[in-house]
Amino acid sequence: SHELTQPPSVSVSPGHTARITCSGDALPNKYTCWYQQKSGQAPVLVIYEDNKRPSGIPERFSGSTSGTMATLTISGAQVEDEADYYCYSTDTGGKEVFGTGTKVTVL
Amino acid sequence: QVQLVQSGAEVKKPGASVKVSCKASGYTFTSYEINWVRQATGQGLEWMGWMNPNTGYTGYAQKFQGRVTLTRNTSIRTAYMELSSLRSEDTAVYYCARGNGDYEGAFDIWGQGTMVTVSS
Repeated sequence: SHELTQPPSVSVSPGHTARITCSGDALPNKYTCWYQQKSGQAPVLVIYEDNKRPSGIPERFSGSTSGTMATLTISGAQVEDEADYYCYSTDTGGKEVFGTGTKVTVL
Repeated sequence: QVQLVQSGAEVKKPGASVKVSCKASGYTFTSYEINWVRQATGQGLEWMGWMNPNTGYTGYAQKFQGRVTLTRNTSIRTAYMELSSLRSEDTAVYYCARGNGDYEGAFDIWGQGTMVTVSS
């Protein structure tokens, strides 16, 4: 069973805000990062340490945490943001784990 | 530039083993961990394990304990993932990814992926 649960899909209109949640009992004690994966490509890191952006990632991507939930927010979503998004952290057993993944559709 | 380049696609029979390579360039190989992640077609990402290329220390996901071995050759800046006792469920794209300590170990560089097909 998965330790990090995400909604299967999120839809957003261009220019609007998309929020993707990631729920896990161990999240209050561990950092969460987020990966974007476009069709047929390797994943790309978009958020690390809960809320930091690597260089080159647009400012419209932001991360936050509250209790057992982490959230990736895309403010002013663009068509090119259409992708699968995965959270990543540590489970209650101390092992690394990806979330179940969320397909973001921008239309 | 900083990159990880993986070996080509493999087709294996059930019960066989596969060894995938991941060659690093553009940075000091021994300064960053290498992780391995796989993805079955149409499925999510699955973390398999990590290796410290400097010490050779490894850690594996419980699911793969006893079946996966991570090694490296520092002279040619290459990491390897070997998976044994292959079954059809192991058909997937296998990625290596660099863990960056400046990002609390997050995977900032990924290989292009290696397709492994297990079929009789």
